[in-house]
Amino acid sequence: DQQVKQNSPSLSVQEGRISILNCDYTNSMFDYFLWYKKYPAEGPTFLISISSIKDKNEDGRFTVFLNKSAKHLSLHIVPSQPGDSAVYFCAARPDSGNTPLVFGKGTRLSVIA
Amino acid sequence: DGGITQSPKYLFRKEGQNVTLSCEQNLNHDAMYWYRQDPGQGLRLIYYSQIVNDFQKGDIAEGYSVSREKKESFPLTVTSAQKNPTAFYLCASSPLGQPGNTIYFGEGSWLTVV
Repeated sequence: DQQVKQNSPSLSVQEGRISILNCDYTNSMFDYFLWYKKYPAEGPTFLISISSIKDKNEDGRFTVFLNKSAKHLSLHIVPSQPGDSAVYFCAARPDSGNTPLVFGKGTRLSVIA
Repeated sequence: DGGITQSPKYLFRKEGQNVTLSCEQNLNHDAMYWYRQDPGQGLRLIYYSQIVNDFQKGDIAEGYSVSREKKESFPLTVTSAQKNPTAFYLCASSPLGQPGNTIYFGEGSWLTVV
């Protein structure tokens, strides 16, 4: 049973436009959510996170929105750049910091110049 | 430089052989993890450890073994019992105690069965 779902395996966006990557979760105990970016044959790198006490967190071109009632979060990238082309993983954990992250299957973003 | 070092980057295994993937971190993190990535499967947890000499199974522990004799080291052995070992293996580490703790990944190791 997948607790973190990324239903879009891939997404293509024109350079300069907005990229929106979606993530749904089923475990109501999840309280902290993170996004990671991964290039081929490399380890994932942390991008941005959000706590369940917030509904938005922004860091430069990246914004994460959380809708706790819908158990849904999204990552917005504005403007999208070719270097953003990568696989993006959504991850979640309960509010303890001592539980391993649960990852979604990832969404491959392609930004077309 | 602080970070997580995985070795080797590429490893080939013959059928029936055990192989060990190394993971070392100098971030002074208490927790260490092994994940496996397969195409279309995301990152699946194999084992994790929060303290020396203790570790817990993740979602796909069958056919794998680990040890945590030192805080800095968390090697993963892929045994002959693992029927489909060809994958990209990722080691990670994190501090404990805060929900916002980010986990940091190594560069990964490719294992191929030949």
